[in-house]
Amino acid sequence: DVKVTQSSRYLVKRTGEKVFLECVQDMDHENMFWYRQDPGLGLRLIYFSYDVKMKEKGDIPEGYSVSREKKERFSLILESASTSQTSMYLCASHGPGGAYNEQFFGPGTRLTVL
Amino acid sequence: ELKVEQNPLFLSMQEGKNYTIYCNYSTTSDRLYWYRQDPGKSLESLFVLLSNGAVKQEGRLMASLDTKARLSTLHITAAVHDLSATYFCAGREGAQKLVFGQGTRLTINP
Repeated sequence: DVKVTQSSRYLVKRTGEKVFLECVQDMDHENMFWYRQDPGLGLRLIYFSYDVKMKEKGDIPEGYSVSREKKERFSLILESASTSQTSMYLCASHGPGGAYNEQFFGPGTRLTVL
Repeated sequence: ELKVEQNPLFLSMQEGKNYTIYCNYSTTSDRLYWYRQDPGKSLESLFVLLSNGAVKQEGRLMASLDTKARLSTLHITAAVHDLSATYFCAGREGAQKLVFGQGTRLTINP
């Protein structure tokens, strides 16, 4: 089974802090994604990566950056956290081709910025 | 730009009843996904629908796709409490990107 893990389930940070969220997948998937989930808005794509050191902006990249130095690891960085970034953050991955190309999700990190 | 809308957003129903969640999408999507999310948990893949007229069933859940109408439905038959969760549909834009609906929070009361 595909396993996607995230470094923390819950995180509390202060406004202005630099925040790192880590995601690791164990299925050698090329593609990895960061979403944020807010009530009534569903999941919104922040950034995705289709290869090591490659990244693409999603729908809401402002205030975020990402890093992918190794294939299995995709990091989301909040350079200067703000209260508006309080949310649930979900990481996902999927492999190349195949009929289904479904994304597999990690357990999520609930971030609170005070 | 693909947009995906679900309705209803909230659904409270009695055990044993049938109901349908609707997922409309705005432009062509070559596949449609349904996910389930339990409270405090992550998303679990339920169905992937690849072509017009596709129908998939798992237990009391059945998903279908009408690409001409740009509509997918998730039908719940004889609901049981264990099906209480939030259900998301998603369309695919480009090769990798999924666009999600807002989610439907389903509560099934005994």
